[in-house]
Formats: sequence, C-alpha cells, structure tokens
Amino acid sequence: DAKTTQPPSMDCAEGRAANLPCNHSTISGNEYVYWYRQIHSQGPQYIIHGLKNNETNEMASLIITEDRKSSTLILPHATLRDTAVYYCIVRVAVELGNEKLTFGTGTRLTIIP
Amino acid sequence: EAGVAQSPRYKIIEKRQSVAFWCNPISGHATLYWYQQILGQGPKLLIQFQNNGVVDDSQLPKDRFSAERLKGVDSTLKIQPAKLEDSAVYLCASSLGTGHSNQPQHFGDGTRLSIL
Repeated sequence: DAKTTQPPSMDCAEGRAANLPCNHSTISGNEYVYWYRQIHSQGPQYIIHGLKNNETNEMASLIITEDRKSSTLILPHATLRDTAVYYCIVRVAVELGNEKLTFGTGTRLTIIP
Repeated sequence: EAGVAQSPRYKIIEKRQSVAFWCNPISGHATLYWYQQILGQGPKLLIQFQNNGVVDDSQLPKDRFSAERLKGVDSTLKIQPAKLEDSAVYLCASSLGTGHSNQPQHFGDGTRLSIL
C-alpha cells in the first residue's frame, strides 16, 4: 500500500470548516483513499473513501486532486466533538488478504471553542 | 445495529502472566480483525479472519500470541506469557468481507492492557 504523509497536528475554530490534507504521491491507479478518525479512548471510525472522484457524505467531503497524489478531507462545520486523530490511508480494492488497513500516525485535529 | 463488542475494557497484569480478550463482531460480518495500538501510534494489524479461517497472521508474534474464531462469529485473542512491550490497546474490527467491495471496517473501543 502507498505511503501517506499528514501534518502531525492542526487547530480549527468551532463552526469553521476543517481542511485536513494528505499526500500520497506514490498512489497506484487501483488504490483507494480512506479516511478514519479516532476520538480519545474509542476505536477508529470510518469517515469516507474515494478513488478519483470527489465524494461527500453526512460526515465529510473528500477532495482528490486530478493527479490523485494528494487529497483533502473537509469537515464543513467543525464542532468540539470532531476533536480526534484523523488517519488518511490508501489501499487497493478489496481482495481476500488485502483488506488490512495500514495506519500511520495521523493528524491530531483540535477544535477550538 | 449493535456495534463491535469487546471485553474487558481494561486489564492490568504482571509480566509473564497470561491474558485473554474477547470480541463479538457486528452480526453478519464475515471478516474479523485484531489490531494492536501502542501509545502514540496508529493501530497495527495482528490477525485477520475470514469466517473461521485465518487470512493473514503475518504480524502476529506466534511465540506468545494466539487467536481463534472457532464458530466464525466471536473471537478471542490470548497472550501467554505477557511482556512489558505488550502494553497497548487491543482493537477488534469487523467488516462484511470479500464480495462486498470496499465495505468499511467497524471497530470496537478496545481493551487497554497494562503490564506491570
């Protein structure tokens, strides 16, 4: 799986959009971009994933650059409950034996009141 | 739907003792994973089951760790004997499994293990 690079920490004001970048310059054509987050003392929580098109769900939006070498997770109106470590992971399409997630150290996002 | 259940939530033991963790995945999920998360790091996969068969245990320290999923539903992870470096959070996750492309993994809240 391709390596990802994320800033170790970020702050965002409550109510503003939080934009979390991820660099995955060695991504292959069949690798998806996944985002998970981990709130303190909880297990990771799936947020969103995409291949090359931008994606949106009830939690967030995922913007992937045209060359797919980087992406941005957007939390449109951050709340204090969004304070967490956010992990960007790239992984090939699911095949038996390839389902594991390889986590880096992520970005610690702190929402400021 | 009910989430992934894990117990116990916390465990403290002395080194060289044994310990076991239990996981009940989401109903209908064929794939079950055990991850180890050391403080300050992201989770690392220890073992993956598809139903009751092992798919990947390449990162499992087999001299001291063992895991089973006998009936293809719940699972136990055991450490015997424990070492100081085993202090970590042990996370269980499940997903629908192969044939359901890109289904996310759902995690339990983990068992925090402290070795004295």
